Amino acid sequence: KAGVTQTPRYLIKTRGQQVTLSCSPISGHRSVSWYQQTPGQGLQFLFEYFSETQRNKGNFPGRFSGRQFSNSRSEMNVSTLELGDSALYLCASSLGGYTSGGYGYTFGSGTRLTVV
Amino acid sequence: GDSVTQMEGPVTLSEEAFLTINCTYTATGYPSLFWYVQYPGEGLQLLLKATKADDKGSNKGFEATYRKETTSFHLEKGSVQVSDSAVYFCALSDGSGTYKYIFGTGTRLKVLA
Repeated sequence: KAGVTQTPRYLIKTRGQQVTLSCSPISGHRSVSWYQQTPGQGLQFLFEYFSETQRNKGNFPGRFSGRQFSNSRSEMNVSTLELGDSALYLCASSLGGYTSGGYGYTFGSGTRLTVV
Repeated sequence: GDSVTQMEGPVTLSEEAFLTINCTYTATGYPSLFWYVQYPGEGLQLLLKATKADDKGSNKGFEATYRKETTSFHLEKGSVQVSDSAVYFCALSDGSGTYKYIFGTGTRLKVLA
């Protein structure tokens, strides 16, 4: 059974550019979450989608956005990149539903974004 | 708001030593608690979980008990191996409908042969 797939694995962008990261969840999983991991701030929740609807959003500026498609695949976009956006971006998927938190999420290996 | 506090790392142990990584939490509701592990260059893997008070989660020789009275979820292993070297994250999900995890800062474990 394939796991959560994130592409690309590594990305280098210039300040001011925008970037799109992709996440393919485990087959059958309908909930997808995104997290940012940095040495200084640790793991911070970005947003969560279920059946193409954003159910929750973390405390990030509007430059961070996301969407989910009908096949549950998800993308996140960061516009006007800043040096501080350099991080490992992790996607996670779960079956979804009210107890999704209790069942736990399966994480992908992440996309390492470096902004120069 | 809800929060998770983990012991500072790194933790360095010899192979076959006993491991304890402390985790305490603050939550207003009835959270589910998790331990995730991150190996170098990889994402997070769910190690174990507990969804209600007094539950014990266990996996691969690791275990943790959900203690509501002390708001703790300490990770233990009786005999660590070099392959256990990784970063361990304690997390909670408040289950109130937010569907997000609140993670601790992580504890790096290094096991020496």
